[in-house]
Amino acid sequence: KQEVTQIPAALSVPEGENLVLNCSFTDSAIYNLQWFRQDPGKGLTSLLLIQSSQREQTSGRLNASLDKSSGRSTLYIAASQPGDSATYLCAVSTGANNLFFGTGTRLTVIP
Amino acid sequence: DTGVSQDPRHKITKRGQNVTFRCDPISEHNRLYWYRQTLGQGPEFLTYFQNEAQLEKSRLLSDRFSAERPKGSFSTLEIQRTEQGDSAMYLCASSPGSRVSYEQYFGPGTRLTVT
Repeated sequence: KQEVTQIPAALSVPEGENLVLNCSFTDSAIYNLQWFRQDPGKGLTSLLLIQSSQREQTSGRLNASLDKSSGRSTLYIAASQPGDSATYLCAVSTGANNLFFGTGTRLTVIP
Repeated sequence: DTGVSQDPRHKITKRGQNVTFRCDPISEHNRLYWYRQTLGQGPEFLTYFQNEAQLEKSRLLSDRFSAERPKGSFSTLEIQRTEQGDSAMYLCASSPGSRVSYEQYFGPGTRLTVT
């Protein structure tokens, strides 16, 4: 069974700092990897999707990388802002059926 | 594109009662998924539909849970004889029919509290 781990579980940084969130998965036979943001008590917002054939994706201040062979992905957030405070979830897909999620990294950006 | 919607957003029920949740996917998305998320955990897969066919069910989906997607449009998730352990956020997601990405788009969730 695919297992997804996210480190650290929580992170607190001052505003303006660049930061990296880590995700690892046990089975490299994935179809894609998605990074999501979740605000307290809310649903999930998709941030970036990386296909298994891709190495990275960028959207604004976010950059996600994928190393499928080693089972790792990182989410880089540049110039963090208080509005970035949320839980960030990593999920991998092995096809059309379902996503396997990590437990998330809770990010707090201090003004 | 109005996004995935779920109803109700919150539900409080007494143990032993039945509850039903509804999910409306993004129009023309033929895949629909249900997940359950407990506090401090990532979402866990419950079941998946392609059009009206329920193609996969997790072992988390006990006999008390049933999901339907009549006519391949909206979906309902029913929990019978609720237990306190059913308290969670129930998330619905949909994805398009193309194999290009299988990107899933999530709704706001239904938070269930069983007292």
